[in-house]
Parts: sequence; C-alpha cells; structure tokens
Amino acid sequence: GDSVTQMEGPVTLSEEAFLTINCTYTATGYPSLFWYVQYPGEGLQLLLKATKADDKGSNKGFEATYRKETTSFHLEKGSVQVSDSAVYFCALSDSDDYKLSFGAGTTVTVRA
Amino acid sequence: DAGVTQSPTHLIKTRGQQVTLRCSPKSGHDTVSWYQQALGQGPQFIFQYYEEEERQRGNFPDRFSGHQFPNYSSELNVNALLLGDSALYLCASSPRGAYNEQFFGPGTRLTVL
Repeated sequence: GDSVTQMEGPVTLSEEAFLTINCTYTATGYPSLFWYVQYPGEGLQLLLKATKADDKGSNKGFEATYRKETTSFHLEKGSVQVSDSAVYFCALSDSDDYKLSFGAGTTVTVRA
Repeated sequence: DAGVTQSPTHLIKTRGQQVTLRCSPKSGHDTVSWYQQALGQGPQFIFQYYEEEERQRGNFPDRFSGHQFPNYSSELNVNALLLGDSALYLCASSPRGAYNEQFFGPGTRLTVL
C-alpha cells in the first residue's frame, strides 16, 4: 500500500539557518505529493504540492521537488524564522485513491 | 470566505458513550473527508463523503460512521467510545473535481475518560 516516511524529529535550528526535512514515499500509481504544516493548537495548512515528476512546489520560501527516480519530496527553506516553528507533514494522494496518506510529522523549532 | 469549520472545539466523553462531530466545508466544496490524528502522529484517513455517500473508507471499525447532508456539511459519529478514540478529529473539504486538494478545519479534540 501507499506510505510516506519522514525524517524523524525534533529538529532545532537557529534563525536564518537552512532547513531540510527528508520525505520518501511508496505508491502503486502516480501520486500527487504534498507538504502540510500544523502550528500549535491548529489544523493542517497546505504548504505546497507537486502533481508530477520533476515538478517543484514552492510557497513562503519553502520548496520541494518531486523526484520519481528517488521517490522523494524533500522540503527545504534557505533561511528559517521563529514563525516557522511547527510540525511539518509530508503526504501523498495516489492516482487511484481519494485519501491522503501522511507521514508521522517532523517537529521543527526555530530559536531566535 | 469562511474556511472549513468544525464543532465542537473540544469534547470530553466517557467510555461507552456516543459522540457526533460536525463539519462545514469551504464554500464551493462538495467533498468532505475525515481524519483521526492521535497525539504525536500523522492523520489517519477515516472516510470520504461525496454526493451524500461514503466514497472511500479507511481501516476503521464500523463504530465510526458518517453522513453528508444536501448542503455538503457532514457529521462523524463514533459509538461505544474507547479510551483509544481520544484524538484530534480533522475534517477536510475538497473542490469539485479535485478530491485530493484537501483543505483542513481546525479539528475537534475528543478526550475519552
């Protein structure tokens, strides 16, 4: 079945540091890939998405590229801020499926 | 434009009781999905409703049931509550024809004592 594996956290960074969160996936079809962010006490917000191989999703300084050859969708940001502290979830939706399958989440804390 | 709304925000129940959670989708969205998020874990898919019918179901027992109304709003019902049902329950809505673009509500925190 479909599955998503994320880099384990927690991750603690200083402001302006570079952030990478690794995500790999297993899918039977041609999935769409997503990154969601969850701030404390809130629901999930869609951060970015990519629907086919080599697509790059980007939003708010975050980027992720859909790599079919390595089945990966790593999230990156060049310079993090304290406001980026949150839990980040990688997710996929397979081509013959209606649901989202999520990774376990990576907690990121950015210190001033 | 209001986003996805859920009620109540928090709920405390005891084992064996029944609970109903409610969700209103974003304007223009016709598909509603429900997820369970246990503490420290990623959301797990419960089911999805479209055109007032359950279109897909995840690996959850029959104690979990749902309904979608003609105005696209939805309810999640859980019977015979167990301690393990304590979780954040998230509702997500999708626009017509884009079922995998899911916009989430703030969730209902259910605590079972």
